[in-house]
Amino acid sequence: SYVLTQSPSVSVAPGKTARITCGENNIANKSVHWYQQKPGQAPLLVVYDDSDRPSGIPERFSGSNSGNTATLTISRVEPGDEADYHCQVWDSTDHQAVFGGGTKLTVL
Amino acid sequence: QVQLVESGGGVVQPGRSLRLSCAASGFTFSSYAMHWVRQAPGKGLEWVAVIPYDGSNKYYADSVKGRFTISRDTSKNTLYLQMNSLRAEDTAVYYCARGLDYGDAFHLWGQGTMVTVSS
Repeated sequence: SYVLTQSPSVSVAPGKTARITCGENNIANKSVHWYQQKPGQAPLLVVYDDSDRPSGIPERFSGSNSGNTATLTISRVEPGDEADYHCQVWDSTDHQAVFGGGTKLTVL
Repeated sequence: QVQLVESGGGVVQPGRSLRLSCAASGFTFSSYAMHWVRQAPGKGLEWVAVIPYDGSNKYYADSVKGRFTISRDTSKNTLYLQMNSLRAEDTAVYYCARGLDYGDAFHLWGQGTMVTVSS
């Protein structure tokens, strides 16, 4: 079964670029989805199928997936981007969705 | 307005049962797979179960298999989660979420309903 590994925390200064990773063996063979979750709120999809953005999500949010690591990149970080970010895939062998442990993004 | 609204949460004793509901509106409920996802206090997201658009093959997380049952009523545009033999570790906010098919991203989420299992 899949185990998605995320760093617990990432810190970045406003205006800089944040990179949040999600690791698993051969994750490039899977479609990876990313969710933003602010305190007390439901998750919000920010990137799906590795690199697509839902309507309304700023272009500053982008995704990539290669080898054993998928990456969510947030450019020109703003204070409002401070949140937990969760990656997710579908394990088609076990027929289960799998989430990473989440990464807390702190904007310094 | 496209939305999902959960209800049915509360405080329940270990070993008892609870049924959650998720009312869908603003879209064709019968065209989408629906999921339940939970989040224990201070923890990450944990997927619970999925039911496809036609209610056929349902799948569950190992942690709830045999205790929880996901179902849907298309006539009422409502998703359900029947939770039996509840344990303290089932304490969480439960979200319903919409996906086009099993492996698709969860494009739409409800606001969540809190379930506390405690004596």
